[in-house]
Amino acid sequence: QSALTQPASVSGSPGQSITISCTGTSSDVGSYNLVSWYQQHPGKAPKLMIYEVSKRPSGVSNRFSGSKSGNTASLTISGLQAEDEAVYYCCSYAGGSTLHVVFGGGTMLTVL
Amino acid sequence: EVQLVESGGGSVKPGRSLRLSCAASGFTFDDYAMHWVRQAPGKGLEWVSGISWNSGSIGYADSVKGRFTISRDNAKNSLSLQMNSLRAEDTALYYCAKDGDSSGYYPENWGQGTLVTVSP
Repeated sequence: QSALTQPASVSGSPGQSITISCTGTSSDVGSYNLVSWYQQHPGKAPKLMIYEVSKRPSGVSNRFSGSKSGNTASLTISGLQAEDEAVYYCCSYAGGSTLHVVFGGGTMLTVL
Repeated sequence: EVQLVESGGGSVKPGRSLRLSCAASGFTFDDYAMHWVRQAPGKGLEWVSGISWNSGSIGYADSVKGRFTISRDNAKNSLSLQMNSLRAEDTALYYCAKDGDSSGYYPENWGQGTLVTVSP
């Protein structure tokens, strides 16, 4: 199974909105509403930001939102803040007969 | 509060074995699937293996299939990863992660990781 495809980097100014795409296949993103997104700051463990395509865990800002269309999922961050600067990873369930999960390569978000 | 504490990492030579452990607390362990996810130095996240709540469903990344074995002990709230025939490319920080479900759909909570270095 191949990794999901994400852009290597995106950038935006404070207050702006950005969107990170995550492209998979009909075997993973396209088949299940089980896409999740993680934020990772340098030297820290990943933090879950979105699960099941568009649900936010308790405590995550509503500036973060997720969506999916076909084989591509997206993470949108509105009202960019300096602390949003981090690497973002998408993840999708890809199991069928066995448990299987696949990550994207990660996208570095720079807040200008 | 969910706590996941990994242990067992270290430096080993290629071809040797290592066993990682993860001690879980703060939640009902046997209600959730669990995962191992690794991150090579300066690289992205790579899912390694996952196990459902009752060990009835287990999966591995192609890169470790046949060499790594995941297991859990629900009585001891612990997760393990037996790593055999280690290669240089297995060098990474290994995270233990609790799933958001019993079946194994997405890592929800993460430990701080344990470092595995495979070098001659």
